[in-house]
Amino acid sequence: DSGVTQTPKHLITATGQRVTLRCSPRSGDLSVYWYQQSLDQGLQFLIQYYNGEERAKGNILERFSAQQFPDLHSELNLSSLELGDSALYFCASSVDGGGVTQETQYFGPGTRLLVL
Amino acid sequence: EDQVTQSPEALRLQEGESSSLNCSYTVSGLRGLFWYRQDPGKGPEFLFTLYSAGEEKEKERLKATLTKKESFLHITAPKPEDSATYLCAVWWGATNKLIFGTGTLLAVQP
Repeated sequence: DSGVTQTPKHLITATGQRVTLRCSPRSGDLSVYWYQQSLDQGLQFLIQYYNGEERAKGNILERFSAQQFPDLHSELNLSSLELGDSALYFCASSVDGGGVTQETQYFGPGTRLLVL
Repeated sequence: EDQVTQSPEALRLQEGESSSLNCSYTVSGLRGLFWYRQDPGKGPEFLFTLYSAGEEKEKERLKATLTKKESFLHITAPKPEDSATYLCAVWWGATNKLIFGTGTLLAVQP
């Protein structure tokens, strides 16, 4: 158990809908990262938040957005869902987040999203 | 284009048969290389971080090494419970992003 929690574990929805994925980082970690993992693309970095502020952005679609709240939990919002958005979405956390040294990222169990 | 390549894509070993997994990278200014283990449907589990060429880390039957262009994950006398996908990721340049390879799927048969 990494200490990172994600809810829900599974999500089934229809095209065009909007969903919210939730992540609670390990106690004491200030950074949260979101990743998408699909069969054909591997693990792709989406976005990082550090202590409430966006710090780094990856291949995140405009239909997707995220935020980190004062209690440091984070939410990833996916809207206008398409079939191709079906994937595993992982959250990871680290103590800091890419300063002088890259802190180890600890991953949560993931949310499996299926868009029908 | 900067990228991370892992080989082989899949590897089947007999229990006790040692082998190595490779992670080669072409990024400029490597600042850290990470190895993770991922079981089906689960989140990646951290194994090692390597920061500079020549560095080695060990944990049970696993040993990770790093050169200027690649990293190896050596598995000595593997057991069936070592079966998983092994991912490497690199942190490079001024970014805060990790770039992951597509992984090596390891199957250890009893």
